[in-house]
Amino acid sequence: DQQVKQNSPSLSVQEGRISILNCDYTNSMFDYFLWYKKYPAEGPTFLISISSIKDKNEDGRFTVFLNKSAKHLSLHIVPSQPGDSAVYFCAAGTGGATNKLIFGTGTLLAVQP
Amino acid sequence: GAGVSQSPSNKVTEKGKDVELRCDPISGHTALYWYRQSLGQGLEFLIYFQGNSAPDKSGLPSDRFSAERTGGSVSTLTIQRTQQEDSAVYLCASSVYGTGGTQYFGPGTRLLVL
Repeated sequence: DQQVKQNSPSLSVQEGRISILNCDYTNSMFDYFLWYKKYPAEGPTFLISISSIKDKNEDGRFTVFLNKSAKHLSLHIVPSQPGDSAVYFCAAGTGGATNKLIFGTGTLLAVQP
Repeated sequence: GAGVSQSPSNKVTEKGKDVELRCDPISGHTALYWYRQSLGQGLEFLIYFQGNSAPDKSGLPSDRFSAERTGGSVSTLTIQRTQQEDSAVYLCASSVYGTGGTQYFGPGTRLLVL
């Protein structure tokens, strides 16, 4: 049973345009959400997070939106750059002691010059 | 740098052999996590350490998998009698306990069981 789902395995966007990566979750107990970026042969790199008390968090070109009623979050990258090409994972967790994260399967973003 | 380090970076082994994977977390991080990523899959949680104790081992796939952490720092993940389905990238992450889940990952160990 996949609690965190990224239904688009890949996305291709032109440089300068907006990239929108989507993520759905099923567990209503999740109260914080993160996006990680992963280049080949490297570990995931933390990008941005959001707690369930907010519906938007912005950091430079990256904005994460959370819609709790729909159990949906999205990552917007504006403007997209070729260096953004990577696999993006969303992850979710609860505020409990373990801080265990549940990850989606990832979306491969390709930004075309 | 002061990031999470893992060794070896690559490991090829024969089915039935034991392997040990090492993780060096960021200095001062009390929480340490092991995940694995199989081909085409997301990251799968294996085990979590707080200090030297492991309050959550729920992700270990079988009793062939074990992990320990000593001195609140280095951790070793051991896989006994490896099987081909154990082939994956094993990732270690650490975090400062209580920061709400921002985990910092190492580069991973790519394990191939022949």
